[in-house]
Amino acid sequence: ELKVEQNPLFLSMQEGKNYTIYCNYSTTSDRLYWYRQDPGKSLESLFVLLSNGAVKQEGRLMASLDTKARLSTLHITAAVHDLSATYFCAVDGAGSRLTFGEGTQLTVNP
Amino acid sequence: SAVISQKPSRDICQRGTSLTIQCQVDSQVTMMFWYRQQPGQSLTLIATANQGSEATYESGFVIDKFPISRPNLTFSTLTVSNMSPEDSSIYLCSVEAEGSTNRYEQYFGPGTRLTVT
Repeated sequence: ELKVEQNPLFLSMQEGKNYTIYCNYSTTSDRLYWYRQDPGKSLESLFVLLSNGAVKQEGRLMASLDTKARLSTLHITAAVHDLSATYFCAVDGAGSRLTFGEGTQLTVNP
Repeated sequence: SAVISQKPSRDICQRGTSLTIQCQVDSQVTMMFWYRQQPGQSLTLIATANQGSEATYESGFVIDKFPISRPNLTFSTLTVSNMSPEDSSIYLCSVEAEGSTNRYEQYFGPGTRLTVT
């Protein structure tokens, strides 16, 4: 059974600071997603990581994937208040069925 | 990419009743999925909706409680039957479709927020 663990689950940070969210998973997969969810809203796709060593960047967010370590990271650079949201990683298992991490609730304080 | 719509967007229902949620995609897709997100929780896969055959349910979910239809390649329904307050959740439809990198990705609908009283 595929298990996905995120940490931290809660993250409070000041504007301008950097931080990393970690996503560990238990079995081999060839796709990993990062999503953002604002309160009361659906999921917004941030990144799809398809291969070992993949790195993608969009604005202040950068995601990477190490398939050998079964680890993905979401790095936040110089955080701003607008990044406050819950971030989920999701790992593609057999049959394209996604297993989600618990989510990281990020609060960026002025 | 794929554009997904769901109906209704939200509903408040009485316990013991049933609600059918519709999911419409703007293109033909093979894979459609239904997820549940309970309050303050992550997403859990309920089932894979297969066109032309029975849905495939994940552990802990059964067809009698969550019957699914998939009449064609652009549409699916999920029914939440004999509802109880524990069924209060957001229900999301997702599809696998070709993305901007010519690889397949999963896209999510806007969700249906269900409250059972």
